[in-house]
Amino acid sequence: DTAVSQTPKYLVTQMGNDKSIKCEQNLGHDTMYWYKQDSKKFLKIMFSYNNKELIINETVPNRFSPKSPDKAHLNLHINSLELGDSAVYFCASSQAGTGGLQPQHFGDGTRLSIL
Amino acid sequence: AQTVTQSQPEMSVQEAETVTLSCTYDTSENNYYLFWYKQPPSRQMILVIRQEAYKQQNATENRFSVNFQKAAKSFSLKISDSQLGDTAMYFCAFTDSNYQLIWGAGTKLIIKP
Repeated sequence: DTAVSQTPKYLVTQMGNDKSIKCEQNLGHDTMYWYKQDSKKFLKIMFSYNNKELIINETVPNRFSPKSPDKAHLNLHINSLELGDSAVYFCASSQAGTGGLQPQHFGDGTRLSIL
Repeated sequence: AQTVTQSQPEMSVQEAETVTLSCTYDTSENNYYLFWYKQPPSRQMILVIRQEAYKQQNATENRFSVNFQKAAKSFSLKISDSQLGDTAMYFCAFTDSNYQLIWGAGTKLIIKP
């Protein structure tokens, strides 16, 4: 049973295109996240949604737009892709409101490569 | 600002040896939670161990244990009897009052046969 699944696993596209990455969790968690992992492996949070509401929106270009149709899904849409967007993007979920002890569960990542 | 520092970018040990990965953090909060995550070459992000800051007893999970020193803001991970499958990036992290994870830069651990 896949807990957090994100698709696609690999995405190779041209600069200037628009693309989406989908994320779904079947854990019943309230909170979902998007992270960007750069080439140096550093993980940076981009967005966090709690029950479909945006609660964390770090300094991210507005070309990145998250969409949460329900609390089990958090998709990431990226407009006008740039070379610097090449990275691995991770989706994660957690049960918030429990004192932070509950860990975040991660998807397998989507490797985005911009040509 | 809340930060997490992993001072060892890369380490390598022989199989079956014990290795300790260091992590220090900076926060003004009194109640928080600490985690070690493992990222093998397969790219998955796997929780290794977690610790509540208000608990003095160090967490243990099979071959993995932590040395939590709250006053020193130190949270090191010890891997005993290391195995080839332990080869991975290891990330230290803690949650702030918004339950947001603050991440370290990671330590690349290589277990040699």
